[in-house]
Amino acid sequence: KAGVTQTPRYLIKTRGQQVTLSCSPISGHRSVSWYQQTPGQGLQFLFEYFSETQRNKGNFPGRFSGRQFSNSRSEMNVSTLELGDSALYLCASRLTGTTTGELFFGEGSRLTVL
Amino acid sequence: AQRVTQPEKLLSVFKGAPVELKCNYSYSGSPELFWYVQYSRQRLQLLLRHISRESIKGFTADLNKGETSFHLKKPFAQEEDSAMYYCALRGDYKLSFGAGTTVTVRA
Repeated sequence: KAGVTQTPRYLIKTRGQQVTLSCSPISGHRSVSWYQQTPGQGLQFLFEYFSETQRNKGNFPGRFSGRQFSNSRSEMNVSTLELGDSALYLCASRLTGTTTGELFFGEGSRLTVL
Repeated sequence: AQRVTQPEKLLSVFKGAPVELKCNYSYSGSPELFWYVQYSRQRLQLLLRHISRESIKGFTADLNKGETSFHLKKPFAQEEDSAMYYCALRGDYKLSFGAGTTVTVRA
């Protein structure tokens, strides 16, 4: 079974631009979560989607948004990029309905803002 | 609110020595706790979860609700255990991670 796939793997943007990151969950997984990973802040929760609905959102400004499509694929968007947005963005999927809540992570999209 | 604290950023042990990674949490509901591990150049993956009460790669973790802790232990560390370890708590449709502990096992 293919794992969680994230694209692009690496990208470089400049301040003020916007970026869209994509995530394809494991087949059959209906829940997708996004995390921001930085050396200083560690893993910070961005949002979780299930059946195209956002179920929870972390403490990030409105510049960070996301969505989920009917095939469970998800995208996140960051507008008006700032230097501090440079990070590894991780997507994770979960087989909703289990009680364990295990997340399966992708390899991440590394964003550099210049 | 939910919070996970890992007090040690770095932990260095010799091969064959015991290793313990500390994790404390705060959560008003019934917690679901996990340990995730990230080996060099690999993706983050689940190591173990409190609900299954199993030992994975020689690691065990016991949920202590009285002390709100979920420490990870292994009696004899191996070099392949060198990695970044994250304690995580699931609640309110999100997984909150601790800051992580980097473990280095020296020969």
